[in-house]
Amino acid sequence: DAKTTQPPSMDCAEGRAANLPCNHSTISGNEYVYWYRQIHSQGPQYIIHGLKNNETNEMASLIITEDRKSSTLILPHATLRDTAVYYCIVSPPLPPHPGKTTDSWGKLQFGAGTQVVVTP
Amino acid sequence: NAGVTQTPKFQVLKTGQSMTLQCAQDMNHEYMSWYRQDPGMGLRLIHYSVGAGITDQGEVPNGYNVSRSTTEDFPLRLLSAAPSQTSVYFCASSYTSGMGSYNEQFFGPGTRLTVL
Repeated sequence: DAKTTQPPSMDCAEGRAANLPCNHSTISGNEYVYWYRQIHSQGPQYIIHGLKNNETNEMASLIITEDRKSSTLILPHATLRDTAVYYCIVSPPLPPHPGKTTDSWGKLQFGAGTQVVVTP
Repeated sequence: NAGVTQTPKFQVLKTGQSMTLQCAQDMNHEYMSWYRQDPGMGLRLIHYSVGAGITDQGEVPNGYNVSRSTTEDFPLRLLSAAPSQTSVYFCASSYTSGMGSYNEQFFGPGTRLTVL
């Protein structure tokens, strides 16, 4: 079962902020929220992650609601190069050291994502 | 650093042929994984590894084998290719920096496989 829900597509004007919503109502207390994006034909690219607090880096900002059941990725000034599929993923943390079993590895489960098209 | 590299970039196989997709990373990452991506769909996890000698199945492991003899390499073997395995294959690696570490995965450029 999908752990996140995203709109299938959205458009954004170049230079404007793009706000990408994600619902993750069944998120567990120790699970991170990750955002990746995939530009056409390329491998996915990590954007940002968060646990409880809002986060910002050079690419984007991540706003997580207080109950952690939803989040929003914000691209502050969208450019044409931001046209991509954006994936919201929730996953438990990695264990501190590789063990003899793999049960606790934080697998990333990719859904269909949101196709974002930035237009001039 | 070259990051995550994959070879070949493109491959065409006939049904029943076998081959190995190569994946290597030079970042000393413990964790490596293989995904496939069918047209218009998200990535699905095939196999993954949490260190040399340790591998496990993902959600779509049938028809594929993996091994992890070194930290750097994580090859994916197709035992007997089928048209249903036509897809783009991505390899990824990630690291842990301590308890509760987040999982930033670094992806390779992909191998585009067609099985006729």
